[in-house]
Amino acid sequence: DTGVSQNPRHKITKRGQNVTFRCDPISEHNRLYWYRQTLGQGPEFLTYFQNEAQLEKSRLLSDRFSAERPKGSFSTLEIQRTEQGDSAMYLCASSSETAEAFFGQGTRLTVV
Amino acid sequence: GDSVTQMEGPVTLSEEAFLTINCTYTATGYPSLFWYVQYPGEGLQLLLKATKADDKGSNKGFEATYRKETTSFHLEKGSVQVSDSAVYFCALSRGTYKYIFGTGTRLKVLA
Repeated sequence: DTGVSQNPRHKITKRGQNVTFRCDPISEHNRLYWYRQTLGQGPEFLTYFQNEAQLEKSRLLSDRFSAERPKGSFSTLEIQRTEQGDSAMYLCASSSETAEAFFGQGTRLTVV
Repeated sequence: GDSVTQMEGPVTLSEEAFLTINCTYTATGYPSLFWYVQYPGEGLQLLLKATKADDKGSNKGFEATYRKETTSFHLEKGSVQVSDSAVYFCALSRGTYKYIFGTGTRLKVLA
């Protein structure tokens, strides 16, 4: 197992388009998190899954954002009708119930 | 709500200098505290952690002590190397490992 994997690493999209990111967590981890990081800031929590259940969503996650984790394995984060303000690094992390989170390298989104 | 405050960077040091990066937090109860490091082009990596008051986390020559009385978790290293150049994030968490991060402190070590 090589850790948390995120794809794509970079995405450039035109304003108004939809984008989808994928996260493959460490296989034995049942918890999965999405964060957003903008330049010069720390990561901000977006949402959290335990197995396939989405247990918490931040107010940062507007109606244009949706996350899924079917079967409690990989997860996808979709942004509909992208806006320039959505440009950021999107980070995925996973953990077991008793240990700290491991982060992926992130997907950098640029909306032009 | 919970929050983490870090000293602003960038911090520029010569090799073998002593490093301190200040971190204070606001939270009720007893959160767990963490330092993560982000090297250029890489993801966040856990550097060290402490889960209760007076615990000392340590790794790779870095140390931080959980001080409940001052709500602090300052990161220290006795002798930095060029390879320590990175962005350091202080964070807290309450059980579910939903982290609240500080804004990060960029460290640059000069040879």
